[in-house]
Amino acid sequence: LAKTTQPISMDSYEGQEVNITCSHNNIATNDYITWYQQFPSQGPRFIIQGYKTKVTNEVASLFIPADRKSSTLSLPRVSLSDTAVYYCLTLAGTGRRALTFGSGTRLQVQP
Amino acid sequence: EAGVVQSPRYKIIEKKQPVAFWCNPISGHNTLYWYLQNLGQGPELLIRYENEEAVDDSQLPKDRFSAERLKGVDSTLKIQPAELGDSAVYLCASSPGTGTGTSSTDTQYFGPGTRLTVL
Repeated sequence: LAKTTQPISMDSYEGQEVNITCSHNNIATNDYITWYQQFPSQGPRFIIQGYKTKVTNEVASLFIPADRKSSTLSLPRVSLSDTAVYYCLTLAGTGRRALTFGSGTRLQVQP
Repeated sequence: EAGVVQSPRYKIIEKKQPVAFWCNPISGHNTLYWYLQNLGQGPELLIRYENEEAVDDSQLPKDRFSAERLKGVDSTLKIQPAELGDSAVYLCASSPGTGTGTSSTDTQYFGPGTRLTVL
């Protein structure tokens, strides 16, 4: 059963770059890696998705090494509003495959 | 474009009572998901629909939980009878594709969730 592993929590200050790494050792060849952000009392929100190397959008960058066993979400110059839980999602399981979120990383941005 | 709509947002019931949650996905999205989220944990998939067919319900506790997606649009998740341990947030999500996982067409869009409290 595939599993993702993330740090439980991270602290940062406004204006800093934050990098959150997710391990997914059993990722399948055709699977993508997706990151979501969740604020309290809201559903998760899509941030970024990638397959290999690097993907960048207006919110974040996603770095995926050649072996694809991990990925790193990079948030440039965080602000207080980036305080949230960040989840890494890959395809999990075998046979009738389930969608499994990682444990999530609680990011706290301080002034 | 309207997002995923869920109702009610909050529900408080006594144990052994039935409860139902409703979800209206984004228009045109073929795939609909129901997740359960306990406090401090990530969402856990309960059931996934592709159009009106439940293609993955392996994690749905079928002794008390049931779900339906009439005409491949709206969906209802029911619990009967509810237990204390069912207190959680129930999230609905939809995606435009019909893939089995995280392909580029399977970006999931979540509703705000229904917070259930069982007393």
